[in-house]
Amino acid sequence: DTEVTQTPKHLVMGMTNKKSLKCEQHMGHRAMYWYKQKAKKPPELMFVYSYEKLSINESVPSRFSPECPNSSLLNLHLHALQPEDSALYLCASSQVNTEAFFGQGTRLTVV
Amino acid sequence: GNSVTQMEGPVTLSEEAFLTINCTYTATGYPSLFWYVQYPGEGLQLLLKATKADDKGSNKGFEATYRKETTSFHLEKGSVQVSDSAVYFCAAETSGSRLTFGEGTQLTVNP
Repeated sequence: DTEVTQTPKHLVMGMTNKKSLKCEQHMGHRAMYWYKQKAKKPPELMFVYSYEKLSINESVPSRFSPECPNSSLLNLHLHALQPEDSALYLCASSQVNTEAFFGQGTRLTVV
Repeated sequence: GNSVTQMEGPVTLSEEAFLTINCTYTATGYPSLFWYVQYPGEGLQLLLKATKADDKGSNKGFEATYRKETTSFHLEKGSVQVSDSAVYFCAAETSGSRLTFGEGTQLTVNP
């Protein structure tokens, strides 16, 4: 299994809603990542978990809250988002300091 | 800080043409280098990688060689196909499992 699975594929949420993005991998990778990608731009790193501990937070607003319940799962909890947060959210995983494998992404629209 | 610079796009080629997409990096030390490809509406797929100077990564007819002296990792393919139409991202991995991406190059191959 060489897949990173993200759910849902598409999400529309209002600015007062609370929702969560989910990511799962079964490759035994110990590093997991959240990236944000706007149209026609490269992905921007948001968070890195290494051995289930948050190791990097790229000054992301607190309305985005990551969680790593175990070594296979990564969540991103969303609350009180703004329309400018609409983007493709990509999850990735890797062994520490090796190539990252990306999921298909969640296309988020904030209305 | 680290940075990756890709040739400006978009690039439009006819089928069976030769492809070069230039990529240069600035970094302290010797980062691992990657090319990722993103098809419309999808996540990023690892295309190839190189982890040290003079390494050549190759996959699906694409090649790139890690050139320390010119800090470059140019992507090449001898004969492109319509199915190669996508956005190509050059990336460098630095400490803390961070990936720094170039701006991406849109490739369109016409029949």
